[in-house]
Amino acid sequence: QKEVEQNSGPLSVPEGAIASLNCTYSDRGSQSFFWYRQYSGKSPELIMFIYSNGDKEDGRFTAQLNKASQYVSLLIRDSQPSDSATYLCAVTDSTLTFGKGTMLLVSP
Amino acid sequence: NAGVMQNPRHLVRRRGQEARLRCSPMKGHSHVYWYRQLPEEGLKFMVYLQKENIIDESGMPKERFSAEFPKEGPSILRIQQVVRGDSAAYFCASSPGGVGYEQYFGPGTRLTVT
Repeated sequence: QKEVEQNSGPLSVPEGAIASLNCTYSDRGSQSFFWYRQYSGKSPELIMFIYSNGDKEDGRFTAQLNKASQYVSLLIRDSQPSDSATYLCAVTDSTLTFGKGTMLLVSP
Repeated sequence: NAGVMQNPRHLVRRRGQEARLRCSPMKGHSHVYWYRQLPEEGLKFMVYLQKENIIDESGMPKERFSAEFPKEGPSILRIQQVVRGDSAAYFCASSPGGVGYEQYFGPGTRLTVT
């Protein structure tokens, strides 16, 4: 059974700092990787997706993928209190499998 | 509104009743996925549908649950004879292509079984 592992947190960072969120996955055949943000009581919101090894940047967000190590990460630069949420890593092969998420708390 | 739409947003059912959850995908999307999120648990895949076809229902409980995506109209997730353990948030997502494409989520339906 495919597994996606994330540290549940909470990860606490001060405003303006870099938040680093990590995820490992078990299925070497996984092809597509996604990061979602979910505020409490709300639905997941797509933040980033990455398909190839390396880095992908979009504004304050950078996704990093290392297929050899089966590791994907999300960096959030200049963290803001509004970034406080649960971040879900998702990996796909035949279906989309989610990790349980890491709670991020950004303090003013 | 070009996003994924779900209704109702909140649904209360008594044990033994039927629950019907509806999902309209984003414009231009023909791939629909249903997920369930229990309190303090992660999102669990239930079923993947295209118009008039169930592509993958490996995450769907074998009994009481069914899904459809007719040629016309929204996708429907049906839960018959609901039990308290069915209380959860049910999310629908749509994508422009198959499973490897990015999925966009609707606001969800919060089902409460009393």
